Amino acid sequence: EPEVTQTPSHQVTQMGQEVILRCVPISNHLYFYWYRQILGQKVEFLVSFYNNEISEKSEIFDDQFSVERPDGSNFTLKIRSTKLEDSAMYFCASSEAGGLGSYEQYFGPGTRLTVT
Amino acid sequence: DQQVKQNSPSLSVQEGRISILNCDYTNSMFDYFLWYKKYPAEGPTFLISISSIKDKNEDGRFTVFLNKSAKHLSLHIVPSQPGDSAVYFCAASADNTDKLIFGTGTRLQVFP
Repeated sequence: EPEVTQTPSHQVTQMGQEVILRCVPISNHLYFYWYRQILGQKVEFLVSFYNNEISEKSEIFDDQFSVERPDGSNFTLKIRSTKLEDSAMYFCASSEAGGLGSYEQYFGPGTRLTVT
Repeated sequence: DQQVKQNSPSLSVQEGRISILNCDYTNSMFDYFLWYKKYPAEGPTFLISISSIKDKNEDGRFTVFLNKSAKHLSLHIVPSQPGDSAVYFCAASADNTDKLIFGTGTRLQVFP
């Protein structure tokens, strides 16, 4: 069964460093997402991406964050200068379609980011 | 932001019995609802969804009920199995967005 994959599973970085989290969405999916879950808190939406551009982003997704689809398979989340409060599980998700909010999103296993 | 609420942090059910997980929402613009299951160190796994034009959707042992007037949905698992032990998240989206708003989750434990 097709699945979303993410690398690395765990990333430790120092405050102020740049990190890139990588995702390979399900191959025939067209919409891509990043969510995060800070320990003990809810899963929160960060950004959605379609047709090589951001379609929606949350207040969390400030100028320190960026997303890219560098080739036909990968989808990346970059944090330019990490802060302690960026420590969280980051989940990538993809859906076959979207735009009307009625399609299932399939999630990857997550990358645990620890900022020290 | 408490648009989606799961008021029961945990639920314990005997194997073979019915598990009922509840979810309330406040945003009347929500028109699509999903349930996800999550094991430790894994991502949320999609279980079942329901559109606001329906009041019930069934898939095997899983049934989701939607009461729009009460802004309430529930997930029924019957019969419950030990492998169902996980955290269950309710999520919702509105028709003008793909953003999912998640609840805080309910930890289900199914014991023999």
